[in-house]
Amino acid sequence: SAVISQKPSRDICQRGTSLTIQCQVDSQVTMMFWYRQQPGQSLTLIATANQGSEATYESGFVIDKFPISRPNLTFSTLTVSNMSPEDSSIYLCSARGTSARTDTQYFGPGTRLTVL
Amino acid sequence: GQSLEQPSEVTAVEGAIVQINCTYQTSGFYGLSWYQQHDGGAPTFLSYNALDGLEETGRFSSFLSRSDSYGYLLLQELQMKDSASYFCAVTGFQKLVFGTGTRLLVSP
Repeated sequence: SAVISQKPSRDICQRGTSLTIQCQVDSQVTMMFWYRQQPGQSLTLIATANQGSEATYESGFVIDKFPISRPNLTFSTLTVSNMSPEDSSIYLCSARGTSARTDTQYFGPGTRLTVL
Repeated sequence: GQSLEQPSEVTAVEGAIVQINCTYQTSGFYGLSWYQQHDGGAPTFLSYNALDGLEETGRFSSFLSRSDSYGYLLLQELQMKDSASYFCAVTGFQKLVFGTGTRLLVSP
């Protein structure tokens, strides 16, 4: 299995500012993803973080608002830019493609973001 | 587009059996997964069906019918710790798309 850590675990930010969330996986993985989840709701895929190239964004999410980096096979960052209260949510990093099972996707503990 | 529908909430008592259904409409279907998420926790993988039929893992079983675009998660011998949210998820081309989620409440 893969163990995923995220930093920070939570933050309270002012509108108009930006926050960068870091995701570290303890083993090399083929695919990394970023999700958003409102409390009590389902997970919405923001983008697939591609190593060495631009991330692939889902409909409704754009690079200017959610720039993503993935410099290597075990690390990725998601930035939430020019934040507004509507960006308050839990942001989850996820990874797939470890040596154990490629159909299993692992999740980090999430970053709880509150924008005032 | 893609959509996965689940009942919003299911209640049951300890020791009972409960079935959580999932119907989906999607393109690029490779398989159906199930995830469990406790309040405040991360989703954790439960099971995966790529082919029609039943997969059993301990107290949990998962079923898939590709022709009906339908699957379910069966939880047997329910325990209090099974109270959580359960999500079906479609494995499409290179990504996982989650269903609406079912909150399971297990009472004594």
